[in-house]
Amino acid sequence: DVKVTQSSRYLVKRTGEKVFLECVQDMDHENMFWYRQDPGLGLRLIYFSYDVKMKEKGDIPEGYSVSREKKERFSLILESASTNQTSMYLCASKPGGGIDGYTFGSGTRLTVV
Amino acid sequence: RKEVEQDPGPFNVPEGATVAFNCTYSNSASQSFFWYRQDCRKEPKLLMSVYSSGNEDGRFTAQLNRASQYISLLIRDSKLSDSATYLCVVTSYNQGGKLIFGQGTELSVKP
Repeated sequence: DVKVTQSSRYLVKRTGEKVFLECVQDMDHENMFWYRQDPGLGLRLIYFSYDVKMKEKGDIPEGYSVSREKKERFSLILESASTNQTSMYLCASKPGGGIDGYTFGSGTRLTVV
Repeated sequence: RKEVEQDPGPFNVPEGATVAFNCTYSNSASQSFFWYRQDCRKEPKLLMSVYSSGNEDGRFTAQLNRASQYISLLIRDSKLSDSATYLCVVTSYNQGGKLIFGQGTELSVKP
């Protein structure tokens, strides 16, 4: 089974801190994604990556950046955390080509105080 | 207008009931359609793909109407274990294959 592992299940950070959310997948998938999920809004795409060192903005990239230095790892960075970034963050990966085969990580619930 | 819209929830039904969820999408170029299930505090997991001809998986039936840009999910003989949030998801090649999610509909099946 494909495994997508997010480094933290729960995280509490202070306003203004730089925050790193890590995601690692073990099946050599080309594509990786970061979503956030909020009540009433569903999952919204922040950033995605089709390959190492490649990144594309999703629908809500403001306040975030990403890094993909290795194929298996996709990091989401909050340069200066704010309270409106309190959310559930979900990482996903899928093989290149086609438009199915997504696997999600179990999520990181981030609280910014 | 949201790209993918679902019935507002929650749906509270007794065991054994039949329940239907509806979903509409706005991008006529959408090509693939899915229903995902998300349990409380867990990640979304693929429940089933939705094909143009309609498809069935046990108690679950999915339908697609491309002309109306409408997707449905029917659950027959609902079980307590069906309680979850059901997410309607679409994607298209012209959007790089990224998943576009509806906000989800919560289902609660009661004894």
